[in-house]
Amino acid sequence: AQTVTQSQPEMSVQEAETVTLSCTYDTSENNYYLFWYKQPPSRQMILVIRQEAYKQQNATENRFSVNFQKAAKSFSLKISDSQLGDTAMYFCAFVRTGANSKLTFGKGITLSVRP
Amino acid sequence: EPEVTQTPSHQVTQMGQEVILRCVPISNHLYFYWYRQILGQKVEFLVSFYNNEISEKSEIFDDQFSVERPDGSNFTLKIRSTKLEDSAMYFCASSDPGQGVTDTQYFGPGTRLTVL
Repeated sequence: AQTVTQSQPEMSVQEAETVTLSCTYDTSENNYYLFWYKQPPSRQMILVIRQEAYKQQNATENRFSVNFQKAAKSFSLKISDSQLGDTAMYFCAFVRTGANSKLTFGKGITLSVRP
Repeated sequence: EPEVTQTPSHQVTQMGQEVILRCVPISNHLYFYWYRQILGQKVEFLVSFYNNEISEKSEIFDDQFSVERPDGSNFTLKIRSTKLEDSAMYFCASSDPGQGVTDTQYFGPGTRLTVL
């Protein structure tokens, strides 16, 4: 079974600054994907970024990038130039390779961006 | 951009009543999922569905729950006799195998279920 751990319950960052959200996971699988989802106060689940485990290069999407350390089973999210709209709950999630596989989520971290 | 839709956005029901939560997945997607999130807690997997069959279900998905794809567009979650502890946000998601063996799951906006 897979587990995803987000040990920081909440973080705060000043607008325009950079923040890093931590995530670790445990699995015996070798092929899998990792995701960060954002959940604003509306509670919609919005995909932020995705990383394939077989890729050594870290994924980036505009202001969002990850630091994927496969050996350490670590998958952190860096948000650059934080904006007020980034205020949300952020969930790290794991899925093993294979059609119709379920997502396993961490507990989430509440990020507040201060003006 | 195609998106997953869910109705209703909020459902209030009395304990013991049946509820049906509806989802319209992205049209060319073939894999469907239900997850739930109790307020303040993490998102939990309920069930996955493909080719008109359940692929996998969690321990939460007991005999009170069922899923159905009644036509070519809708995907429903039925709770036969709701309990107080069923109060949660229910998310539908879908994915497209055409983009790789495992593709990203896209979530609907959720249905907030309140059981009184």
